[in-house]
Amino acid sequence: SQTIHQWPATLVQPVGSPLSLECTVEGTSNPNLYWYRQAAGRGLQLLFYSVGIGQISSEVPQNLSASRPQDRQFILSSKKLLLSDSGFYLCAWRAGRGIEKLFFGSGTQLSVL
Amino acid sequence: GENVEQHPSTLSVQEGDSAVIKCTYSDSASNYFPWYKQELGKRPQLIIDIRSNVGEKKDQRIAVTLNKTAKHFSLHITETQPEDSAVYFCAASPTGRRALTFGSGTRLQVQP
Repeated sequence: SQTIHQWPATLVQPVGSPLSLECTVEGTSNPNLYWYRQAAGRGLQLLFYSVGIGQISSEVPQNLSASRPQDRQFILSSKKLLLSDSGFYLCAWRAGRGIEKLFFGSGTQLSVL
Repeated sequence: GENVEQHPSTLSVQEGDSAVIKCTYSDSASNYFPWYKQELGKRPQLIIDIRSNVGEKKDQRIAVTLNKTAKHFSLHITETQPEDSAVYFCAASPTGRRALTFGSGTRLQVQP
């Protein structure tokens, strides 16, 4: 069966510091991968998605970037964090062959101080 | 692009009552409509979904209805229990677009 791993679970970072969040999927190949952000008490904002290695689509211009160095690995990065980058970051995956179900990782609670 | 609106933003019901959450979408090409439940600090979990070739789907105490003509779909929870308390999100998936567009969420509170 397929599983998705996301880490770390919580992170406290100072303003101006770099960020790297990692997500990996097991049990499937060539998945569609996604990064969502959720501000406290708010909805799910799509940040990036990827349909294959090296293919990244950005939904919202921002202080963040994403990379997909391997088929089942998706990384969210920032060179310099802002206070507004605080939130709950969720990685998600979806089979890329017409199967619509989207499954989320356990999330990373990021606090930028 | 697709726009999904969700109402109400908060809903409080007594245990045993029914709860209904409604969503509308803008892209008539959307063909997949999932619902997610998110407990505090946890990941959203898929609870039920429906495709555009079906008008209604039921799974025990939860059901989803879809009206393609009006472009709206609803989540129905019957015999609510305290453990149904959570935030519920609807979403729509337009044809040819890789990502789901989510509604803003409904905080459901079931009073014992």
